[in-house]
Amino acid sequence: GAGVSQTPSNKVTEKGKYVELRCDPISGHTALYWYRQSLGQGPEFLIYFQGTGAADDSGLPNDRFFAVRPEGSVSTLKIQRTERGDSAVYLCASSLDRGPVTEAFFGQGTRLTVV
Amino acid sequence: DQQVKQNSPSLSVQEGRISILNCDYTNSMFDYFLWYKKYPAEGPTFLISISSIKDKNEDGRFTVFLNKSAKHLSLHIVPSQPGDSAVYFCAASARNTDKLIFGTGTRLQVFP
Repeated sequence: GAGVSQTPSNKVTEKGKYVELRCDPISGHTALYWYRQSLGQGPEFLIYFQGTGAADDSGLPNDRFFAVRPEGSVSTLKIQRTERGDSAVYLCASSLDRGPVTEAFFGQGTRLTVV
Repeated sequence: DQQVKQNSPSLSVQEGRISILNCDYTNSMFDYFLWYKKYPAEGPTFLISISSIKDKNEDGRFTVFLNKSAKHLSLHIVPSQPGDSAVYFCAASARNTDKLIFGTGTRLQVFP
């Protein structure tokens, strides 16, 4: 498809386990963003990649969260020792260039539930 | 500290009438504002944006107004259609940053 693809669409995991969430951006988009949306809230910024490098990771809540984008395309968000408070919808977005002036296209999200 | 606020969690409007969604912000460094629309089980979709150098931007049925002195923006949809029923998020960014700060959203329902 032509849009941003996120897998899996749903993930249920036990507290303390490790999870990986995948994002396939739109082909040719150099900027990639991860956001997290908790129930009743708006999306909250986690990290931004320009190419392969994390240009801004100020939104990652703690060192259990890590993201990579080794070839400047697909990105993986990794969460270690998951906690119930990590339950949320994790959204990925990509855009042609840096900054929000160029509109970002969002994927459908991965709903993570930690039990 | 909620920098972008949407104080109305929901709004119900009759088809054909105007829908007005409001957003307030506190950070005077914000210089670009966007509205996103979100249907259930889908990601947010960009709707319309406005730069701080403007006070109005129009795109078809959608118009965004920005009042910098009041740190307030609004989205007008006219005429409203049932397909407009969704959650609308206001978002803002500051110069030289690459992240969006979102409000909590307003659920719009347009009824026949």
